[in-house]
Amino acid sequence: KQEVTQIPAALSVPEGENLVLNCSFTDSAIYNLQWFRQDPGKGLTSLLLIQSSQREQTSGRLNASLDKSSGRSTLYIAASQPGDSATYLCAVCTNDYKLSFGAGTTVTVRA
Amino acid sequence: GAVVSQHPSWVICKSGTSVKIECRSLDFQATTMFWYRQFPKQSLMLMATSNEGSKATYEQGVEKDKFLINHASLTLSTLTVTSAHPEDSSFYICSARVGRSSYNEQFFGPGTRLTVL
Repeated sequence: KQEVTQIPAALSVPEGENLVLNCSFTDSAIYNLQWFRQDPGKGLTSLLLIQSSQREQTSGRLNASLDKSSGRSTLYIAASQPGDSATYLCAVCTNDYKLSFGAGTTVTVRA
Repeated sequence: GAVVSQHPSWVICKSGTSVKIECRSLDFQATTMFWYRQFPKQSLMLMATSNEGSKATYEQGVEKDKFLINHASLTLSTLTVTSAHPEDSSFYICSARVGRSSYNEQFFGPGTRLTVL
C-alpha cells in the first residue's frame, strides 16, 4: 500500500522567504505526482503535475521536483506572499489511477 | 476548461435521513469519477471509484450499502449517504478523470460539507 508523508506538518515564514515543502512516498512505481493547494473549507486547486518520466515542473513562482527512485518530491515556492498561506497536499497516482494523498503542510506567510 | 461542480456545497440533516451529493463534470466527459472524504485537519481518503455504466469499486473499510454511488452518465456521479449518523459528518470531495492514460489529471470539485445532527 502506498504511504505518502509530508514534512513539515506546518510552516510559518515571513513574507519574501522561499518555501520548501517535502513529500515522500514508499512505492516508486507511480504514474505521476500532483501538488495541490487547499484553502480552509474549500476544495483542491491543482498546482503542478509531474509525470513519472519527468524530473521537474515549473509554473510561475512554483517549482516541483521528482526523484522517483528515492521516493521524494519537493515543492519550492519562491518569494512567498501572504496569499500563499494555505495547506499544500501532494498526491501520487499509482497503476490503478488512484491518488494517495499526504496529510499536507499548512503554510502561514506572515506579512 | 476541466471544471467539476458539486451540489450541494453544504448540507445539514437529521440523524437517520439520507443525503444525496451530485458531482458533475461541466465541460468534459469523465470516464472515471472518484469520491473522497476528509475529516478536519486530515488528508483526503479515497472512498470509491466510479465508472460510467458499471458498479462502483469501494475501498477497504467503506460500507457500500451506506455510501451508494451511481455513475449514470459521463458527466454525473452521485453519492448517497444512507441513514446518516453524526459520525458521517465530513467534507466529501469528488474528482473526475478524462480517458484512461496516466497523463490525464484528476480534476476536483469544490467539496460538500455534510453535518449530521
